[in-house]
Amino acid sequence: DAGVTQTPRHEVAEKGQTIILKCEPVSGHNDLFWYRQTKIQGLELLSYFRSKSLMEDGGAFKDRFKAEMLNSSFSTLKIQPTEPKDSAVYLCASSLLGGQDTQYFGPGTRLLVL
Amino acid sequence: GEQVEQLPSSLIVQEGASVLINCSYTDSASVYFPWYKQEPGKRLQFIIDIRSNMERKQNQRLTLLFDKKTKHLSLHITATQPGDSAIYFCSVDTNAYKVIFGKGTHLHVLP
Repeated sequence: DAGVTQTPRHEVAEKGQTIILKCEPVSGHNDLFWYRQTKIQGLELLSYFRSKSLMEDGGAFKDRFKAEMLNSSFSTLKIQPTEPKDSAVYLCASSLLGGQDTQYFGPGTRLLVL
Repeated sequence: GEQVEQLPSSLIVQEGASVLINCSYTDSASVYFPWYKQEPGKRLQFIIDIRSNMERKQNQRLTLLFDKKTKHLSLHITATQPGDSAIYFCSVDTNAYKVIFGKGTHLHVLP
């Protein structure tokens, strides 16, 4: 089992562009999380899916951030339009039982918005 | 909503020393408290957890203490090694699915 995979590993975007980040969870896991990691804010939850249903849309992030789970083994996070303040590492994680279970994290996508 | 405070933000110790990382939370309904470690350039990985019906859990050199009354957790790492250098995160479940993370503790173990 390869664990959680994320692509691309690095992304550079111009301000105003649309970018799409991809995630494949651990096979058999029902729940998928998207986080943003920065040095100042730490890990912030962007979206949470339980069995492909969106349970949490990230509150303050819902404006330009849209996560989708097209099937149980693939999710995307779209940022549109990108802003320099979106520069961060975006992490995907999966678990069997949501927040009351161990999460398995992907390697992350490092995004730089110019 | 749930607030999680983690202290200290950084620690520098000599190899062999013991360290204590503290975490406090606000929501008394929280029941699950996993901790993760992020080594430089690597992904976050689970290291130890505890549930609200326990007071203590040990995994080799890691001991996790939980006080439900004060809503406080402590991670104790003994006999630290340079390989323990990493960022350590406490986390707290809310609403049975959402997880809030502490800001992390940067641990540097000097050889």
